[in-house]
Amino acid sequence: DVKVTQSSRYLVKRTGEKVFLECVQDMDHENMFWYRQDPGLGLRLIYFSYDVKMKEKGDIPEGYSVSREKKERFSLILESASTNQTSMYLCASSLGLAGPYEQYFGPGTRLTVT
Amino acid sequence: GENVEQHPSTLSVQEGDSAVIKCTYSDSASNYFPWYKQELGKGPQLIIDIRSNVGEKKDQRIAVTLNKTAKHFSLHITETQPEDSAVYFCAAQTGANNLFFGTGTRLTVIP
Repeated sequence: DVKVTQSSRYLVKRTGEKVFLECVQDMDHENMFWYRQDPGLGLRLIYFSYDVKMKEKGDIPEGYSVSREKKERFSLILESASTNQTSMYLCASSLGLAGPYEQYFGPGTRLTVT
Repeated sequence: GENVEQHPSTLSVQEGDSAVIKCTYSDSASNYFPWYKQELGKGPQLIIDIRSNVGEKKDQRIAVTLNKTAKHFSLHITETQPEDSAVYFCAAQTGANNLFFGTGTRLTVIP
């Protein structure tokens, strides 16, 4: 079974802090994704990566950056956390570009910024 | 970009009844339509998907229909059980990676 793990289930950070959310997948997938999930808004794509060191902006990239130094790991960075970034963050992975392929999701990280 | 609308936002059914969730999309280039189920405390999990060259697909108690002309697709769950209670998301994909989600339907199956 594909396994996508996220470093934390719950995080509480203060406004202005730099926040790192880590995601690891164990199926040698080419693609990795970061979404945020908010009530009434569904899942919205922040960034995705289709290869090591490659990244593409999604629908809501403002205030976020990403890093993919190794194929299995994809990090989401909040350079200066703000209260409007309080949300559930979901990581996903899928096979390569010749898709579409099923996306496999991690359990999510609930981030609260105070 | 693609816009996916999903209805209803909440749905309650008696155990054993059927449940139907409907979605519409805007981009005629979308060619892949997955449905995800999200249980409490977990990430979404794919339950069924359909591609644009198919009109209907079934998997036991779950079926999905697609009408490309009208740009809508639906999830049908028959003989609902309490374990079907969850939030369901539809999605539409254009290209290899651009997956756009609906806003979700919270399904409650009443025993």
